[in-house]
Amino acid sequence: NAGVMQNPRHLVRRRGQEARLRCSPMKGHSHVYWYRQLPEEGLKFMVYLQKENIIDESGMPKERFSAEFPKEGPSILRIQQVVRGDSAAYFCASSPLNRRENTGELFFGEGSRLTVL
Amino acid sequence: LAKTTQPISMDSYEGQEVNITCSHNNIATNDYITWYQQFPSQGPRFIIQGYKTKVTNEVASLFIPADRKSSTLSLPRVSLSDTAVYYCLVDTDKLIFGTGTRLQVFP
Repeated sequence: NAGVMQNPRHLVRRRGQEARLRCSPMKGHSHVYWYRQLPEEGLKFMVYLQKENIIDESGMPKERFSAEFPKEGPSILRIQQVVRGDSAAYFCASSPLNRRENTGELFFGEGSRLTVL
Repeated sequence: LAKTTQPISMDSYEGQEVNITCSHNNIATNDYITWYQQFPSQGPRFIIQGYKTKVTNEVASLFIPADRKSSTLSLPRVSLSDTAVYYCLVDTDKLIFGTGTRLQVFP
């Protein structure tokens, strides 16, 4: 059973470009979380999605960031007009349970490291 | 806002037992206590979870007192490969992580 797959593992963008990060959850998991981790810092919650629905985006910056989890295909975190401060590791986690049922066990991918020049 | 407080860092030597304590004074009745391990350049990995008393698996033990306002992750006989950041997660409503404890194991 493949784990959570994230790609690309490394992405370099120039300021003003767009970054698209993809996450394929574990088989059978329909709940996806995105976290951001700045160098030497902890994980910051960004967004929680179910298939075709954004459930909680309270951790997402109001501008330039968006996320989706379509019926078919991976979840995508999209960052428009990237700035240097967007440089970070972005982790995706999945779960077979919704957040209310989940006691705290998430399955994480290896992350996508975005560098903005 | 995370509901947990952990030491920022800890040092140990190979072969020693390491205990990392997490404070969660505002833990809710339905909150479980979950610990994760994160190596550099990797995603966090689930280690252990408990609700009360003691839980043990092949990796670690988790001690939770009766009032559940804190918990202690115990790593027996650490090795260099246990050098990592350890996160205590309690906020099962938001699944928000705290800042973690950076454990450095020396030879």
